[in-house]
Amino acid sequence: KAGVTQTPRYLIKTRGQQVTLSCSPISGHRSVSWYQQTPGQGLQFLFEYFSETQRNKGNFPGRFSGRQFSNSRSEMNVSTLELGDSALYLCASSGSLGTGELFFGEGSRLTVL
Amino acid sequence: AQTVTQSQPEMSVQEAETVTLSCTYDTSESDYYLFWYKQPPSRQMILVIRQEAYKQQNATENRFSVNFQKAAKSFSLKISDSQLGDAAMYFCAYWGFSGGSNYKLTFGKGTLLTVNP
Repeated sequence: KAGVTQTPRYLIKTRGQQVTLSCSPISGHRSVSWYQQTPGQGLQFLFEYFSETQRNKGNFPGRFSGRQFSNSRSEMNVSTLELGDSALYLCASSGSLGTGELFFGEGSRLTVL
Repeated sequence: AQTVTQSQPEMSVQEAETVTLSCTYDTSESDYYLFWYKQPPSRQMILVIRQEAYKQQNATENRFSVNFQKAAKSFSLKISDSQLGDAAMYFCAYWGFSGGSNYKLTFGKGTLLTVNP
């Protein structure tokens, strides 16, 4: 079974631009979560989607948004990029609701210049 | 809000020896899950072990075991017979109610484990 796939793996943007990251969950998994990982703040929860609906959202500004498609693939978008958005963005999928057992992708490393 | 604290930013262990990573958490809930996740240098996070709060028996997965003290809100990870491949960042995580009808996974800051040959 293929794991969680995130694209792109690396990207460089400049301040003010926007970026879209993609995540394909494990086949059959309907829940997708996104996390931001930085050295200073650690892993912070962005949002979770299940069956195309956002189930939960972390404490991030409205510049961070996401969506999930009918095939469970998910995208997250960050608009008007700031230097502080430089981070590793991790996507995780789950086949079991309510257990916290997540399967992570390798992440998308975003650098904002 | 639930918080997870890992008080050891870095730990080191000699190959074949045993090491224990500490984790404490704060919650007012009685039903939740606790996890240890491992993130090797290649960055993909993988699940090491999980513990259901309602189970008194400590979880064990091969060389990995936990010491779950619910009253003390403590959840430590013991790695026995450490191997070079155990070198990674280890994250303690809490899964529980986060308000409304939502649950989420909250991570500690992590402990970087070095295994010396």
